[in-house]
This record gives sequence, structure tokens and C-alpha cells, in this order.
Amino acid sequence: KAGVTQTPRYLIKTRGQQVTLSCSPISGHRSVSWYQQTPGQGLQFLFEYFSETQRNKGNFPGRFSGRQFSNSRSEMNVSTLELGDSALYLCASSLDGGPGLGTQHFGDGTRLSIL
Amino acid sequence: AQKVTQAQTEISVVEKEDVTLDCVYETRDTTYYLFWYKQPPSGELVFLIRRNSFDEQNEISGRYSWNFQKSTSSFNFTITASQVVDSAVYFCALSAGAGGTSYGKLTFGQGTILTVHP
Repeated sequence: KAGVTQTPRYLIKTRGQQVTLSCSPISGHRSVSWYQQTPGQGLQFLFEYFSETQRNKGNFPGRFSGRQFSNSRSEMNVSTLELGDSALYLCASSLDGGPGLGTQHFGDGTRLSIL
Repeated sequence: AQKVTQAQTEISVVEKEDVTLDCVYETRDTTYYLFWYKQPPSGELVFLIRRNSFDEQNEISGRYSWNFQKSTSSFNFTITASQVVDSAVYFCALSAGAGGTSYGKLTFGQGTILTVHP
């Protein structure tokens, strides 16, 4: 069974640009969550999508957005990039995103560097 | 609000030593789930265990064991006879609440860097 696939693995951008990251969940998983990992803030929840709808959102500015497609694949977009957006972005999938009904499985992440 | 505290930032041991990673959590919810993940240098978070708040039985899986104590809000992880391959960052995480604010959300501790020397 294939795991969670994130593309690309590495990205280098400059301030002011925008970026789109992609995540393909485990087959059958309908919930996709995104996390940002930085040395200073650790792992922080960005948002969660289920059936093409955002159900939950963390405390990040509106520059961070996402979407989910009918096949459960998800994309995350960051606009007007800032130096502080440099981080490892992790995607996780689970059956339905509920705390009692599944475990989140993570991808390898996309390492985003802002110059 | 939920909170997870891993007080040990870094631990260094010699191979074959036993090591315990501490995790203390805070939540007002009576139903919640606790997790441990391992993050090797490659970056992927590898799922290790999931426990619910109603099951305080300790669990052993090979060299790994977990001690869940609701009375002290702790969910500690012990590696017996550590090996170099155990070197990684270990995260404790919590999922709690019902409804919108809990969907798809894990609250993580800051992680403990474990280094096992040969």
C-alpha cells in the first residue's frame, strides 16, 4: 500500500513569490492535514480538508491556503512568501480525520527555503 | 486548549542502555488520544503508537514500551537496549475535543532528540 506522497521534496523561492505544494494521501484516506515544522515553533497545524471542504484551521495568516480535490489529493498554497515561511511542510492523511477513528500517517515533507 | 510538554530537549545514551522519553499532556476533554511519532533525519514522521484515554494498559512492542498514567497526565516512552538506529527525534502528540476544532489536528510536543552512540 503506497504511503503519503508529497511533491516536490525541495523548493527554493524568493521573497514575494508564491508556491504550491502537493500531497497525495494513502488510498482510501479522505482526510488530509497540513503542518509546518520550524526549529523555533516546532510542528504546527495549518489546516485539514475532508471531502473537498476545509473543516479545521490553525492560526496562520490568510497567505496560507489549501484545497482538496475529489480524489482526496490536496494542495497547499503560500502567497507573498516571507523569510519566516522557510520550513518543512508535512502532509498527513487519515481515514476521516476524527480523533477516534484513525491515525494520521505522514509524508516525507516538502522543504521550502526562502531566499 | 490542548498542550503537550516534552521537557527533555536532548538525550544522549550509549548503545544497549535503556532510555525513557517523558511526555506530559493537558486537556479538559475526557476523551482524547495520545500518539508517539519518530522522525528520522529523512523528515518523515513515523507512527509508533496510539492510545485512547479509556485504556490505561501499558503496552510493549519489542524493545518499545509505553506507560500511560491519567493520574499524572503522562504518557512516557521507554526504549530498552537502545540501538544506534533509534537515533531520531521523538514526538508525543495529542488529539482531543469534538467537532470542528479537533478535526485532523494533532497537538505536538517540542520533541526529544535522542542520540544513541555506539
